[in-house]
Amino acid sequence: TQLLEQSPQFLSIQEGENLTVYCNSSSVFSSLQWYRQEPGEGPVLLVTVVTGGEVKKLKRLTFQFGDARKDSSLHITAAQPGDTGLYLCAGGPHTGNQFYFGTGTSLTVIP
Amino acid sequence: KAGVTQTPRYLIKTRGQQVTLSCSPISGHRSVSWYQQTPGQGLQFLFEYFSETQRNKGNFPGRFSGRQFSNSRSEMNVSTLELGDSALYLCASSLNYRGPAYEQYFGPGTRLTVT
Repeated sequence: TQLLEQSPQFLSIQEGENLTVYCNSSSVFSSLQWYRQEPGEGPVLLVTVVTGGEVKKLKRLTFQFGDARKDSSLHITAAQPGDTGLYLCAGGPHTGNQFYFGTGTSLTVIP
Repeated sequence: KAGVTQTPRYLIKTRGQQVTLSCSPISGHRSVSWYQQTPGQGLQFLFEYFSETQRNKGNFPGRFSGRQFSNSRSEMNVSTLELGDSALYLCASSLNYRGPAYEQYFGPGTRLTVT
């Protein structure tokens, strides 16, 4: 059983479309991070959210932390092929004072 | 500022052998964490070191061990390799240990293949 569940697991869309990725848990987290990972590389940190209800924008990417700090969403506007990658959420610190990663969402943006 | 570096990038070993992976954190970062990433299990936490002390440990067998040196560089060792140890091993560094500004920065990983 994963502490953080992401949906959808796979997503394939056309360039220019909008999309939302969800990260859900039954546990409360002090902070939540979003990463993007490209094949053969390590995850790259996109954003950290720490306050319930917090919304952060990074160009075409909008991140929201749920009011109860149990869930988060990532919305991409007008997706581009360069957005292709594996999107991971990570929450913590939690049990064992460690960070837990979500199951991941693999995004493919078709030109 | 240089990012997290990991060596080697690729490694092929046979069952029963042991392996040592190395990680150099971002300059000034004092905390190093190790993760195992596989298609089936995703990213799983191995252990975390801060100031040469292991602070947290994930749910992995004792064959997996690590250490951190005074310059914050870290190594992890896997003994008696099994086929299931084939994975991407990722190292992440952070400035300090926990706190509200805690953020992890990952290296490119070491791809270990056990045959």
